[in-house]
Amino acid sequence: NAGVTQTPKFRILKIGQSMTLQCTQDMNHNYMYWYRQDPGMGLKLIYYSVGAGITDKGEVPNGYNVSRSTTEDFPLRLELAAPSQTSVYFCASSYWDNNQPQHFGDGTRLSIL
Amino acid sequence: GNSVTQMEGPVTLSEEAFLTINCTYTATGYPSLFWYVQYPGEGLQLLLKATKADDKGSNKGFEATYRKETTSFHLEKGSVQVSDSAVYFCALSERQAGTALIFGKGTTLSVSS
Repeated sequence: NAGVTQTPKFRILKIGQSMTLQCTQDMNHNYMYWYRQDPGMGLKLIYYSVGAGITDKGEVPNGYNVSRSTTEDFPLRLELAAPSQTSVYFCASSYWDNNQPQHFGDGTRLSIL
Repeated sequence: GNSVTQMEGPVTLSEEAFLTINCTYTATGYPSLFWYVQYPGEGLQLLLKATKADDKGSNKGFEATYRKETTSFHLEKGSVQVSDSAVYFCALSERQAGTALIFGKGTTLSVSS
């Protein structure tokens, strides 16, 4: 069972570069999420999607973009990398019901230098 | 707005000691409550959940009871093991923002033999 798969696991970028963090899930979940985790700060929601073609901003969306063309995939795009985006990024998915748990990928550790 | 507050860490215990990690929340409606655990280098895994007042979630010897009157969801375990060393996150979910989770800042538990 693959669950939620994120690639790459690690990446170093230079300031101003762009990249896409990939996320795919094989559980046919409607909802998908991107969080960032900073030391001592818990996880903050960047963007979420309630289904293919529908996305919405979370708490910290600035500097990021997302798309959801299929149920399975939810890539996160950084257009102009900045040092403040150095973080660990987690993708998660769930069914529509808020009683259902979210399933997390193993994360992408991103450093902007 | 909704928020989760959990006790600051790190918490350092000897094997077989009793564990309590406090968690309180504020919410406008009737959230579901969760505890997630993060082992080093991994993503978050659901530990337990409770979806309504007075529900008790339990898993792997951990327990937490949803207390609406005190808006709390404290995590307890009667006898911790070295393998329980991890970061523990309390979180809530409501039927808004696509049921995205709102996390506490996390509590690091270190258990020594």
